[in-house]
Amino acid sequence: GQQLNQSPQSMFIQEGEDVSMNCTSSSIFNTWLWYKQDPGEGPVLLIALYKAGELTSNGRLTAQFGITRKDSFLNISASIPSDVGIYFCAGAYFGNEKLTFGTGTRLTIIP
Amino acid sequence: SQTIHQWPATLVQPVGSPLSLECTVEGTSNPNLYWYRQAAGRGLQLLFYSVGIGQISSEVPQNLSASRPQDRQFILSSKKLLLSDSGFYLCARTSRSTDTQYFGPGTRLTVL
Repeated sequence: GQQLNQSPQSMFIQEGEDVSMNCTSSSIFNTWLWYKQDPGEGPVLLIALYKAGELTSNGRLTAQFGITRKDSFLNISASIPSDVGIYFCAGAYFGNEKLTFGTGTRLTIIP
Repeated sequence: SQTIHQWPATLVQPVGSPLSLECTVEGTSNPNLYWYRQAAGRGLQLLFYSVGIGQISSEVPQNLSASRPQDRQFILSSKKLLLSDSGFYLCARTSRSTDTQYFGPGTRLTVL
């Protein structure tokens, strides 16, 4: 089955630093999604990507759908305390009702 | 707006007791609906999904079951809870036009 490798597993950064995380797949996807989960809450959709090569921004967040359709990255610029949480990538393939999720990247901001 | 409700928000149950978690969706018709479980500090495990009323697909064999009695209602049940059933249960939906899933607020289940 499809597998998603998400890296890094965790990040410890200082406020104001830029953040970069990525996901790679063993097979192609038609949709890439990025979610953020705060403790005790459901994941919230940050960015959805539907086309290979697509680069999409949402405020300080930027995500790209890799040309090969097997990878995606998420960048966060000038991190702030509310960026703390777990970030998940997910991929979908046409005709498959299920998403494949990455294992998550835990972002911690060091005071 | 499209909203997902989950009930209850938190639940503490003894081992061997029954379980019923409810998910209801507003603002969309004929959604695909999903139940996920998340262990502490871990990723999302898909348990069940449904593409329509009465249609349930099971992803992981276990002592849980799911039902979809109405278009916008998805229920997760168990006849006898195990300690390993503890976790954070999330309901999610999609619409017909996109693969994008949106999550509810979750139910925290603790089995003692």
